[in-house]
Amino acid sequence: GQNIDQPTEMTATEGAIVQINCTYQTSGFNGLFWYQQHAGEAPTFLSYNVLDGLEEKGRFSSFLSRSKGYSYLLLKELQMKDSASYLCAGMDSNYQLIWGAGTKLIIKP
Amino acid sequence: IAGITQAPTSQILAAGRRMTLRCTQDMRHNAMYWYRQDLGLGLRLIHYSNTAGTTGKGEVPDGYSVSRANTDDFPLTLASAVPSQTSVYFCASSGGLADYNEQFFGPGTRLTVL
Repeated sequence: GQNIDQPTEMTATEGAIVQINCTYQTSGFNGLFWYQQHAGEAPTFLSYNVLDGLEEKGRFSSFLSRSKGYSYLLLKELQMKDSASYLCAGMDSNYQLIWGAGTKLIIKP
Repeated sequence: IAGITQAPTSQILAAGRRMTLRCTQDMRHNAMYWYRQDLGLGLRLIHYSNTAGTTGKGEVPDGYSVSRANTDDFPLTLASAVPSQTSVYFCASSGGLADYNEQFFGPGTRLTVL
């Protein structure tokens, strides 16, 4: 079967660094996506990885290990506006996204 | 229009009624999708369309139907609504069948079936 696992909730302090982990199992693999979703809003694209390694984009970085079926999203210099849910999604062989339930990130001052 | 729009924003519906959720995009994207999002669950694909004139079933298609008469519009119809269809519905689009194509989401429709 296809499955995406990520922690339900995490708490971090403003200015700190947080790593959100995701493990995936998909039928075929065409990449791993991370989306951000603020409460009551639509998901918005953050990053895409298809090759092993780290992709850095400003304060956000995403890592992929295909052999381990593992990814993480790293958020640096946390700001209060980063409080949101972070959704991990794997793209299967049919180019469909399989979504995790999301990790709710709470930022404390 | 800029991006994807959905209508209505929210709706309360009596069980057994028919309802169509509207979705329109102006990005000339080939692929469009309908998801439902429920608390504690990931986004679940209801139906999708890879290009105008074609549609396919997703993970949870029962009780829903779609059509794709043109590139821009992708309405979702609930033929006879049931309380378990209470959810937030998101429409999304992407450039097409390629691994790097991110999906862009509409603002969502919050549907309550009583």
